[in-house]
Amino acid sequence: GDSVTQKEGLVTLTEGLPVMLNCTYQTIYSNAFLFWYVHYLNESPRLLLKSSTDNKRTEHQGFHATLHKSSSSFHLQKSSAQLSDSALYYCALSDGATGGNNKLTFGQGTVLSVIP
Amino acid sequence: AQTIHQWPVAEIKAVGSPLSLGCTIKGKSSPNLYWYWQATGGTLQQLFYSITVGQVESVVQLNLSASRPKDDQFILSTEKLLLSHSGFYLCAWSQLGQDTQYFGPGTRLLVL
Repeated sequence: GDSVTQKEGLVTLTEGLPVMLNCTYQTIYSNAFLFWYVHYLNESPRLLLKSSTDNKRTEHQGFHATLHKSSSSFHLQKSSAQLSDSALYYCALSDGATGGNNKLTFGQGTVLSVIP
Repeated sequence: AQTIHQWPVAEIKAVGSPLSLGCTIKGKSSPNLYWYWQATGGTLQQLFYSITVGQVESVVQLNLSASRPKDDQFILSTEKLLLSHSGFYLCAWSQLGQDTQYFGPGTRLLVL
């Protein structure tokens, strides 16, 4: 079955330094969508980025990610971390199958802690 | 704008007691609905999905059941809780044919 791996459980960064959260995946489906969700404390997880297009950079709110199908990766990056970026980040995969169940397979999540 | 509510926010329950968690989506007709669960230290995994009223499909067997009594309501329940049911429960919706899911705030459940 599908799987998503986020190697880092916790990333601690000083404000202003670049952010890179790793995400790799396994799926047999060529039309898979990859997502990054951000979960702030006491809020709902919300979509940050998504992509299904190989080698195309997608950006939102200062974050960016590029889906690389050759390496099965979708790493999340930001040039300069802000204190407000501290949150739990999930990488997730949807296999793009039709038929009703739009199942998301999640990674374990990475807590990003940005310190002054 | 669509809103999604989950209730209760948190629960502490005894092993063997019944459970009912609710989810309501407002501002969207005929959404696909999903339940996800995350055990402490675990990964979010899909439990159930529903594409229409009255129809619910189980994805993972955890001695839980789900129902969709109305277009905008999704209920997760069990008659007898197990310790292993503790965790974080998330409800989500998506538009038919779309890949993006939108999540509720979740319910934290502790079974003692």
